[in-house]
Amino acid sequence: AQRVTQPEKLLSVFKGAPVELKCNYSYSGSPELFWYVQYSRQRLQLLLRHISRESIKGFTADLNKGETSFHLKKPFAQEEDSAMYYCALDTGNQFYFGTGTSLTVIP
Amino acid sequence: NAGVTQTPKFQVLKTGQSMTLQCAQDMNHEYMSWYRQDPGMGLRLIHYSVGAGITDQGEVPNGYNVSRSTTEDFPLRLLSAAPSQTSVYFCASSYRGRRGAFFGQGTRLTVV
Repeated sequence: AQRVTQPEKLLSVFKGAPVELKCNYSYSGSPELFWYVQYSRQRLQLLLRHISRESIKGFTADLNKGETSFHLKKPFAQEEDSAMYYCALDTGNQFYFGTGTSLTVIP
Repeated sequence: NAGVTQTPKFQVLKTGQSMTLQCAQDMNHEYMSWYRQDPGMGLRLIHYSVGAGITDQGEVPNGYNVSRSTTEDFPLRLLSAAPSQTSVYFCASSYRGRRGAFFGQGTRLTVV
């Protein structure tokens, strides 16, 4: 079975503080992992994909196959980062999404 | 480039009514899929398609039908709406090769 777990439904941090959104996955094949962001009442937008190893809006995510994790990190949170974040696993035919983490950055 | 377009944006249905949610993409993506988004449950896959003429069920297919007669369009049909189908519905499309999905703006459906 393929599954994605985001253990934190809600996360609040102060502006300027580091932030880490956790994601763990379970997949028997070679994982293709993504982070999506959804701002209030908007569509989901692709934030990061692990294969490109890019940094978008200051966010990074490293795939740790040993711990089966793909945590999203940012060293200094900004107010505009407040949003819903979804971790997703792509198996080639289907995307499996976590339940999401709602991030609030407190001014 | 329009990307993924969903219509309507909002809809209120009475229990037992039927309707079709439209989804179109102009990126020539092979894969298209429908999700519902409910509080605390994330996005759950309803149906998906890997190409024209090919569809398959996802995690929560009951009460929904789909068809894929063209590469561009992937409509979702509610045959007899129920209050449990009140949700936000997202359509997504993606390339073969697992390069991430593009989402529509969503349809907020209320069944009363």
